[in-house]
Amino acid sequence: GQQVQQSPSSLVLQEGENAELQCNFSSTATQLQWFYQSPGGSLVSLLSNPSGTKHTGRLTSTTVTKERRSSLHISSSQTTDSGTYLCAIDRGTGSNRLTFGKGTKFSLIP
Amino acid sequence: ETAVFQTPNYHVTQVGNEVSFNCKQTLGHDTMYWYKQDSKKLLKIMFSYNNKQLIVNETVPRRFSPQSSDKAHLNLRIKSVEPEDSAVYLCASSYWGFSYEQYFGPGTRLTVL
Repeated sequence: GQQVQQSPSSLVLQEGENAELQCNFSSTATQLQWFYQSPGGSLVSLLSNPSGTKHTGRLTSTTVTKERRSSLHISSSQTTDSGTYLCAIDRGTGSNRLTFGKGTKFSLIP
Repeated sequence: ETAVFQTPNYHVTQVGNEVSFNCKQTLGHDTMYWYKQDSKKLLKIMFSYNNKQLIVNETVPRRFSPQSSDKAHLNLRIKSVEPEDSAVYLCASSYWGFSYEQYFGPGTRLTVL
């Protein structure tokens, strides 16, 4: 089965609302990264958060390692936040290889 | 500027041709990667390369091979392209280790006619 599952698959909100994205993984993760992929395709690392809570700007990620889940909270969303949010884990096999989820496609209504 | 650079941005070719994509990173990282993103947008690791050690995803066809001249460069060669090779190929780099973030290039979009 799929090792990294993200939900929802798509999310539509109005500008200014808060968004909550979920990532569940089926194997041990020694590294977890959240990425943003723009509609044009470029991939940007947002947060590296294998455990605990991290903040950067309007983003907050909380990872509960033993429950194999992570969330990404986007506060006061803006139209420039539109795009796909990807969760990826390193399964700790020693190869540094990230396994990606299918992403959450996030759209904002002005 | 420190980043991951890829060339070309786009490449269109015919079945059976050989192609080569370039990747350079100026972040001082010791490990580089190639990922493939298919039409359904799922990203999958193809190769990781560190200190002369190459780790290959077993699902990658043998017509694909990485080529490195030094730790800042990792090119991707496809010996004889097939239609299913049409995808975006993303290069990334990081320090070796469990907790280091990976940084991605802008990608090369390959279309095989």
